[in-house]
Amino acid sequence: EPEVTQTPSHQVTQMGQEVILRCVPISNHLYFYWYRQILGQKVEFLVSFYNNEISEKSEIFDDQFSVERPDGSNFTLKIRSTKLEDSAMYFCASNGYSYNEQFFGPGTRLTVL
Amino acid sequence: QKEVEQDPGPLSVPEGAIVSLNCTYSNSAFQYFMWYRQYSRKGPELLMYTYSSGNKEDGRFTAQVDKSSKYISLFIRDSQPSDSATYLCAMSAGAFGGYQKVTFGTGTKLQVIP
Repeated sequence: EPEVTQTPSHQVTQMGQEVILRCVPISNHLYFYWYRQILGQKVEFLVSFYNNEISEKSEIFDDQFSVERPDGSNFTLKIRSTKLEDSAMYFCASNGYSYNEQFFGPGTRLTVL
Repeated sequence: QKEVEQDPGPLSVPEGAIVSLNCTYSNSAFQYFMWYRQYSRKGPELLMYTYSSGNKEDGRFTAQVDKSSKYISLFIRDSQPSDSATYLCAMSAGAFGGYQKVTFGTGTKLQVIP
């Protein structure tokens, strides 16, 4: 069964460092998303991406964040200068070209020290 | 008022019980309703997906949507210890094509005791 994959599963970084979180969405999907879940809180939408551009972003997704689909399979989230409050689980998700289910990856746990 | 409200629990039931999980929402634009299951420090796993008001059944799970009351439910029959997890209600308005930004509830933590 196809699935969304994410690497790394856990990333530890120092405050101010850049991190890149990687995702491989399901191969025939067209819409890609990043969500964030701070420990003990709800899953929050960060950004959506379609046709090689951002289609919507939340207030959380400020200038420190960027997304990219560098090739036909990978989808990345970059945080330029990490803050302590960026510590969270980051989930990638994707869905196809119909109002069908959105599938989530297993997440990357980001710890900023 | 929060867009999606969900009782965080925890909810503890004996094995074999019927579990009822609920969410209310305020945004009339929501048309697609989902239930995800999340184990600790894992990604949300889609359980049920519904579009219209009414019931949808899948094995031991039944999803119910009442758009007029802005209320959705998930029922789990014959609950098992393996059902112990956090259950997230989620919804989206949908837009062009298949685009859907999903808004989640806070999740209800369920424990099924053997």
